[in-house]
Amino acid sequence: AQSVTQLGSHVSVSEGALVLLRCNYSSSVPPYLFWYVQYPNQGLQLLLKYTSAATLVKGINGFEAEFKKSETSFHLTKPSAHMSDAAEYFCAVRAGGGADGLTFGKGTHLIIQP
Amino acid sequence: NAGVTQTPKFQVLKTGQSMTLQCAQDMNHNSMYWYRQDPGMGLRLIYYSASEGTTDKGEVPNGYNVSRLNKREFSLRLESAAPSQTSVYFCASSSPGLSVYEQYFGPGTRLTVT
Repeated sequence: AQSVTQLGSHVSVSEGALVLLRCNYSSSVPPYLFWYVQYPNQGLQLLLKYTSAATLVKGINGFEAEFKKSETSFHLTKPSAHMSDAAEYFCAVRAGGGADGLTFGKGTHLIIQP
Repeated sequence: NAGVTQTPKFQVLKTGQSMTLQCAQDMNHNSMYWYRQDPGMGLRLIYYSASEGTTDKGEVPNGYNVSRLNKREFSLRLESAAPSQTSVYFCASSSPGLSVYEQYFGPGTRLTVT
């Protein structure tokens, strides 16, 4: 079975500051990892995905994440926060390939201070 | 290309009533999923259908039934609604044609059971 832990249910940063959202996973087999973003009253949008092709993954809106097997982590970063980044962010894992559902973390609410 | 669509957007039920949530996708995806989202819990998988004609239970299937009507449509039925089923329900789809079966989500159905 796999699981995801997102540290910090709320993260607050100033506009222009570094964004760091933490995600740790557990999986008995090589995982596939995803970050999704949810804006208020909307569905989830895929930000980026880890496919084992590269440990540093670039996504949309200037976000990137680095897969670190030794730390079982997949933290999400953005060099400079923008007001439009305020949203809920979810890390998700699936053990191996295939059509099984995703296991999600509980989410991190990102607050951007002007 | 509408992606994943869900109806209705909002619904209020009384305890014991039944209803069906509808989901359709126009991306020719093989796999479809139903999740529920509760505050502080992230998303949890209810049921999924890896391909037309198959369905499997997820993490929280009790109180729900599903039907994969055809390749495009996947419905979720609550036979006797309970207040514990108050939640936001998301449908998603995916395909082996995608690199790692990343999932695409609909806008959600907000259900309140009184």
